[in-house]
Amino acid sequence: QITLKESGPTLVKPTQTLTLTCTFSGFSLITNGAGVGWIRQPPGKALEWLALIYWDDDKRYSPSLKSSLTITKDTSKNQVVLKMTNMDPVDTGTYYCAHKTNSGFDHWGQGTLVTVSS
Amino acid sequence: DIVMTQSPFSLPVTPGEPASISCRSSQSLLHNNGYNYLDWYLQKPGQSPQLLIFLGSNRASGVPDRFSGSGSGTDFTLKISRVEAEDVGVYYCMQTRQTPLTFGGGTRVEIK
Repeated sequence: QITLKESGPTLVKPTQTLTLTCTFSGFSLITNGAGVGWIRQPPGKALEWLALIYWDDDKRYSPSLKSSLTITKDTSKNQVVLKMTNMDPVDTGTYYCAHKTNSGFDHWGQGTLVTVSS
Repeated sequence: DIVMTQSPFSLPVTPGEPASISCRSSQSLLHNNGYNYLDWYLQKPGQSPQLLIFLGSNRASGVPDRFSGSGSGTDFTLKISRVEAEDVGVYYCMQTRQTPLTFGGGTRVEIK
């Protein structure tokens, strides 16, 4: 059974760096084709893809946020970490991590609400 | 970037009746391997999104067969043959043909 869970601060100040951790079980990020992605959702708005890391350490980023995002994996801990620098109030929202294969994002975490405010 | 456009924005439905959601992409999602890289998700109120359909027309594990996906290239449709009360929520299409991965704006399905 695949599960994912996001963790990190619920409140960050503008200009600070956000670090979110996705801890997963039920799959390995050394398995051919496996990936973990981050998707966010501002309150009341649509989903937005942020970043993706694959089993072979291939990393993809949203171009509009690429300069502020870093995604890494720790296969020994079954974790994927997303760092986002220079946070702004417009970055407030729920951040999800999700397991990805060629069959889509088939398992999602519960999400974590991050508020950016001074 | 590939722009995904969904319609309608809101869809009031009657239980037991069919429903249909359209998704159009600004570029073809058809790969030369024959697959359309288009997925459908449902976000029920207060929940995380869940995968309904992948690669255009394949139902995800556990998804009822009243849900079906069709289309190719730039035009796609999600159909619910007979809507049930538990189907309410926001439906999103998403393309995975190329990065950046992009979602449609969502279609809110509600019971009349």
